[in-house]
Amino acid sequence: DADVTQTPRNRITKTGKRIMLECSQTKGHDRMYWYRQDPGLGLRLIYYSFDVKDINKGEISDGYSVSRQAQAKFSLSLESAIPNQTALYFCATSETGGRTEAFFGQGTRLTVV
Amino acid sequence: EDQVTQSPEALRLQEGESSSLNCSYTVSGLRGLFWYRQDPGKGPEFLFTLYSAGEEKEKERLKATLTKKESFLHITAPKPEDSATYLCAVGGSGATNKLIFGTGTLLAVQP
Repeated sequence: DADVTQTPRNRITKTGKRIMLECSQTKGHDRMYWYRQDPGLGLRLIYYSFDVKDINKGEISDGYSVSRQAQAKFSLSLESAIPNQTALYFCATSETGGRTEAFFGQGTRLTVV
Repeated sequence: EDQVTQSPEALRLQEGESSSLNCSYTVSGLRGLFWYRQDPGKGPEFLFTLYSAGEEKEKERLKATLTKKESFLHITAPKPEDSATYLCAVGGSGATNKLIFGTGTLLAVQP
């Protein structure tokens, strides 16, 4: 089983719908992250969490919200999806910030029509 | 502001033709520089961490080096299976301690 699991792997949704992307990890790491990846723009940080009680906005948090349900679970919600939120979304975990590598899930390909 | 720039954006090599990918960075207090490999539609896969200028790490045909301003990923005698996007990221000592990624180099190795 993968250390970082994302569900769903693919999703097509309509404009205005609420959608949740889920992430769970078995690494035992406190730090969890949500990134989106767009062609030519690289990986951009949406939200990050250092522990269950600590959630922070990244560089592109508008239109998104998150919930850290447990150390191992971190979900990303799009409250009212719009077409420019079509992207590849990745969840990641790390043991510490900045000095140790992040481990990524397999990604969720989200299409908003 | 912390920043990572990778070049070239894309690189096409013949099998066996060695080359290097560049990662230039600006960060306040480098805590670590990371190289990842990403295959299409998949999550980035960790390759190396470098912590200080002069450090080098190797894995099969890949070798990563680090200076105070940039890192190189050298690919020696590449094979078609080395084709992927290679991402560079830095971790700074700012309060957030998060990783900043470059946009990657798309490497294609032709047989």
